Amino acid sequence: SYELTQPPSVSVSPGQTARITCSGDALPKKYAFWYQQKSGQAPVVVISEDSKRPSGIPERFSGSTSGTVATLTITGAQVEDEADYYCLSTDSSGRHRVFGGGTKLTVL
Amino acid sequence: QVQLVESGGGLVKPGGSLRLSCAASGFTFSDYYMSWIRQAPGKGLEWISFISSSGRNTFYADSVKGRFTISRDNAMNSVFLQMNSLGADDTALYYCAREKEAKGEDYFDHWGQGTRVTVSS
Repeated sequence: SYELTQPPSVSVSPGQTARITCSGDALPKKYAFWYQQKSGQAPVVVISEDSKRPSGIPERFSGSTSGTVATLTITGAQVEDEADYYCLSTDSSGRHRVFGGGTKLTVL
Repeated sequence: QVQLVESGGGLVKPGGSLRLSCAASGFTFSDYYMSWIRQAPGKGLEWISFISSSGRNTFYADSVKGRFTISRDNAMNSVFLQMNSLGADDTALYYCAREKEAKGEDYFDHWGQGTRVTVSS
């Protein structure tokens, strides 16, 4: 079955740039979507279609994809950005949605 | 505004069954695919099933295929998940989510708050 691979954790100081990667063989042909999940809350999409920022998401969040790796970048990370982040994509058939394993972002 | 409210979770014994419901409001339900996603305690998100807008097409993750059945009632603006042969690995918070199409690919743009399922003797 198709897998998306993320680092388990990323840690930065406030104001630094955080980068979270998501690796998957189908990413050159399939979009990556990124979700933020804060403790006890449902996930919220922060990046869609590799690099689009939905309404209401701060400009410090951006996304990009190069080959088989999608990257979520938080430029000038804030303490309130501490959360778990998940990438989402689909397998080559387009039928199965797949989440990455998640990355815990610590900002301190 | 879009609202998704799950119900039906609870404590069930191994081998038992449970039926989850998700009531939708604030949008034209029959226009959208819907999915169920779960999250085991302390673990990541796992997509488990989606159903097309008409209900004609359904797909499942390998982990639940043959045991879980997704269905919908567009007249009642609801989607359901029938879960059979439950095991400890099915213990999780179950989310209902609306799918939005983005250039031929779908993602989840609205989520409910989840309903908790615990499988234990």
